[in-house]
Amino acid sequence: AQSVTQPDIHITVSEGASLELRCNYSYGATPYLFWYVQSPGQGLQLLLKYFSGDTLVQGIKGFEAEFKRSQSSFNLRKPSVHWSDAAEYFCAVLFRRAGNNRKLIWGLGTSLAVNP
Amino acid sequence: DVKVTQSSRYLVKRTGEKVFLECVQDMDHENMFWYRQDPGLGLRLIYFSYDVKMKEKGDIPEGYSVSREKKERFSLILESASTNQTSMYLCASSFIFVWGLAGRLSYNEQFFGPGTRLTVL
Repeated sequence: AQSVTQPDIHITVSEGASLELRCNYSYGATPYLFWYVQSPGQGLQLLLKYFSGDTLVQGIKGFEAEFKRSQSSFNLRKPSVHWSDAAEYFCAVLFRRAGNNRKLIWGLGTSLAVNP
Repeated sequence: DVKVTQSSRYLVKRTGEKVFLECVQDMDHENMFWYRQDPGLGLRLIYFSYDVKMKEKGDIPEGYSVSREKKERFSLILESASTNQTSMYLCASSFIFVWGLAGRLSYNEQFFGPGTRLTVL
């Protein structure tokens, strides 16, 4: 079955440290991949997306993500975390289903805390 | 900028009440979605709509209905609210874009509203 896994429920990093949030999916073909961020009490905002082409994609707020087909992964990275990056991060994957239908499946999210 | 607004940020209702959650988007998006978000369960799709008066069930439609009479507005209805419907409700919208040789319509990135935190007592 198609699934999206974010292995880390909670991550705590120090301000200025680097960050990597993991996302793995199970699917035979190349899906469309998204990372969203949800600040406390807010809706979700798109950070970046991968549809095709260069496997390293740049997003907003200094984030980037790399699609690795061999590992079925789309990990989110930031070289230096700011206190304002504390939020919930969601990976989402758009799968193709029978009859050209599409289904967007969400990971359960990773909660990021940033220590000063 | 795309703007998705939801009628209330916080709502408190009593068991058995009929509850309406309204969502409006201003970017002429074809698709609109309703999710609920619960700790440890992530986002779960309740219903979505790809056109006016069209709707499809998501993963957890039981206890909910929807209405889309105008393109910009998508309403979620709890016919008889229950305590297990206490949750954060998120509305989203997106363009349809054509992809693939088959040319079938599909999803694009979704834009979210701020959410409505509903408490049912």
